[in-house]
Amino acid sequence: DQQVKQNSPSLSVQEGRISILNCDYTNSMFDYFLWYKKYPAEGPTFLISISSIKDKNEDGRFTVFLNKSAKHLSLHIVPSQPGDSAVYFCAASLNAGNNRKLIWGLGTSLAVNP
Amino acid sequence: ETGVTQTPRHLVMGMTNKKSLKCEQHLGHNAMYWYKQSAKKPLELMFVYNFKEQTENNSVPSRFSPECPNSSHLFLHLHTLQPEDSALYLCASSHGQGGRNTIYFGEGSWLTVV
Repeated sequence: DQQVKQNSPSLSVQEGRISILNCDYTNSMFDYFLWYKKYPAEGPTFLISISSIKDKNEDGRFTVFLNKSAKHLSLHIVPSQPGDSAVYFCAASLNAGNNRKLIWGLGTSLAVNP
Repeated sequence: ETGVTQTPRHLVMGMTNKKSLKCEQHLGHNAMYWYKQSAKKPLELMFVYNFKEQTENNSVPSRFSPECPNSSHLFLHLHTLQPEDSALYLCASSHGQGGRNTIYFGEGSWLTVV
């Protein structure tokens, strides 16, 4: 059973417009959420994160929103640029005994068209 | 360049071969990870090492054998693999273990088992 779901496998957006990538989770014990971006032939790179005590975190063109009651988070990219075309992974973290676990979504492939 | 280097980038091996994947991190991190990425599946954590000690083994078959001689180097020894083991194997590192610490990934090793 997938605890972190990215229900849209792909998304296409026009350059300059807003890209909204969504992520849903099922486990209310998750207390930290991260977004990673992956270009083809490269490993994922960290983009932005948010703690469960916040509902918004902004870094330049990237903003992550967290709705804990809905168990939903979203990544907004505005304005979108062609270089943003990549696969975006949502990940959620929780305490698991002595360790912390990180659970990944399947990813959403974003295409930003010039 | 993320500071995590994986070799080889591509590997084709027969089911009876023995090969190894190598990972080196230049970030001064103490935790290192092996992840597997298969098509249409989330990133799967395979092994975690913290200060050279294995702290997680997520029920990985014994045909995958990790080795961590020091905090900067991580190996994945491969022996009698199956075609379904073909995937992208990602090495990663972080300052502390767990989901609140930014994980830095290598570019991955594409493995094809024939």
